[in-house]
Amino acid sequence: GQNIDQPTEMTATEGAIVQINCTYQTSGFNGLFWYQQHAGEAPTFLSYNVLDGLEEKGRFSSFLSRSKGYSYLLLKELQMKDSASYLCAVMDSNYQLNWGAGTKLIIKP
Amino acid sequence: IAGITQAPTSQILAAGRRMTLRCTQDMRHNAMYWYRQDLGLGLRLIHYSNTAGTTGKGEVPDGYSVSRANTDDFPLTLASAVPSQTSVYFCASSLQGANTGELFFGEGSRLTVL
Repeated sequence: GQNIDQPTEMTATEGAIVQINCTYQTSGFNGLFWYQQHAGEAPTFLSYNVLDGLEEKGRFSSFLSRSKGYSYLLLKELQMKDSASYLCAVMDSNYQLNWGAGTKLIIKP
Repeated sequence: IAGITQAPTSQILAAGRRMTLRCTQDMRHNAMYWYRQDLGLGLRLIHYSNTAGTTGKGEVPDGYSVSRANTDDFPLTLASAVPSQTSVYFCASSLQGANTGELFFGEGSRLTVL
């Protein structure tokens, strides 16, 4: 079966940097996605990686290593509004999205 | 800009009742999806539609049905609700087919089955 693993919860300090990891085992690979979901709200798209390496988008960056089945989302200069759950999703060979359970990120002042 | 709209926002209903969750998008997206989200689990796909007139089963389709009569609407029906269907339901859409990955979600419908 498909397996997407990410930590359940992380805590970080405002202004700091945090890295949220995601490891995956899927039948094939057609891209990895990160979504942000604030409590009680809908998920919103953050990033997409299909090739190895780092994709930077403002304060957020996402890294992928296909050989290791590994990705991380890096958040810099943390703000209180970054408190949310971060969902990792992997598209398999059938172009189906497989979702991790999400990492709840708590930002402390 | 409406995007994708779900109704109702929340609902409590008795087991055995029939319930339809509505979903409408105004982005002219071809593909639409229904997910459920439960604590400690990832989003799970219930049904999907790659284009108007076609539907497909996702990971957890039992107890649910969908229809796609036109591009904009994708209702989800629970024929006879059971307590295990208590969840938050998200409708989503994407511009092209299932392989684009970037999904646009509605605000969710919180359903409680007693």
